[in-house]
Parts: sequence; structure tokens; C-alpha cells
Amino acid sequence: DAGVTQSPTHLIKTRGQHVTLRCSPISGHKSVSWYQQVLGQGPQFIFQYYEKEERGRGNFPDRFSARQFPNYSSELNVNALLLGDSALYLCASSPSRLTSGDTGELFFGEGSRLTVL
Amino acid sequence: DAKTTQPTSMDCAEGRAANLPCNHSTISGNEYVYWYRQIHSQGPQYIIHGLKNNETNEMASLIITEDRKSSTLILPHATLRDTAVYYCIVRAVNTNAGKSTFGDGTTLTVKP
Repeated sequence: DAGVTQSPTHLIKTRGQHVTLRCSPISGHKSVSWYQQVLGQGPQFIFQYYEKEERGRGNFPDRFSARQFPNYSSELNVNALLLGDSALYLCASSPSRLTSGDTGELFFGEGSRLTVL
Repeated sequence: DAKTTQPTSMDCAEGRAANLPCNHSTISGNEYVYWYRQIHSQGPQYIIHGLKNNETNEMASLIITEDRKSSTLILPHATLRDTAVYYCIVRAVNTNAGKSTFGDGTTLTVKP
């Protein structure tokens, strides 16, 4: 079975530009989350989407937005890029919206590495 | 979610057991301990999780102290491929499944 897939794997943008990152969750997973990982730090939570609705948001500016499609794939959009947005953007999927004793495992993709010049 | 504290880095000899500690002194009764690892340039990978009993799977063992304020991830026979950043995370039951609070983890270097 295919894991979480993300595209593109690498991209370079300049300050002020806009970027769209894409994620396809594991088949049957309805929850998709986005994380930003700056070099040398752990992943930071940006958004969670479940059944096409935003279910959680981290401490990120409004330049960051996302959406989830009927097939549960998701896009992360970042407007007016800043140098500080350079990071690895990770997508994670999980079967359900809430954790339970037997779940709560997140399945991560390989990430999209964004460089802002 | 409770905050966790991990050493910044550790070394381990190949073939020996790697013991990675995690402090979570403010953990609540409904919070599980999860461990993930991230090999360079890849996404984090789930390893194991537990509530209060020790757990073992094909990858590792998780030892949680009786007061649940700390835990240790054990890789019984570390290999060079176990070199990675290891994250200890605490998450409550019936909370947002997609949101986890990662710290900066422990960089484990397995040496030949």
C-alpha cells in the first residue's frame, strides 16, 4: 500500500511569491495534518483537516492556509513568502479525527523542502 | 499536552543497547507516551507508544516508570541505520489526532 505522498519534493521560491504544496494521505485515512520543520528543530504543527474541515490550527500567520478535498488529499498554501518560511513541510495522515488508546499514530510523508531566496 | 525533556544527543556503539530517556513529569492520567524517529531527510516514523505498562514491538521496548514521570526507549541491538533523531511525545486520549507537540528530540549516533 502506498504511504503518504507529497509533492513537490523540493522547490525554490523568492521572497513575496506564493507556494502550494500537495499531500495524498494513506488510503482510508480521513485526517491530514501539516507540520513545518525548520533545520535543527522538531516539526511544528500548522493545521489539521478532517472531513474537509479545519480541526486544529497552530501558531502560524494568516499567510498559511490549507484545504482538504473530497478524496481527503490536501493542499497547503503559503502567501507572501519570507526567508523564514524556508523549511521542510511535512504532511501526516491518520485514520480518525481523535486519538484513542489504540490509535494516535501519525503516518508522515517524506516532506516538501522549500527554500526561499 | 505535557511537555517532554530529552537529552540533545547520545552516542551508542553498534550492537549495543541504546537507551534513550525522556522526562515528562507533568504527564496526566489520560496521556500516552509516543516515540517517533526521524532519519535524515525523511519524515518522522512511529516507533512505539504506551500508557503505563512496558511495551515491546519489533523495533523497540518502552519502559515507563511507575509514577509515569519518565520513560526510556530501548533499541536492544543498535545498528548504524538507527542513527536518527528520536522524539518523545505525550498525547492525551480523545484529542485531536493530527496535532502533536514535538520538541527538538535526541540525536542518536550509532558508531561502528
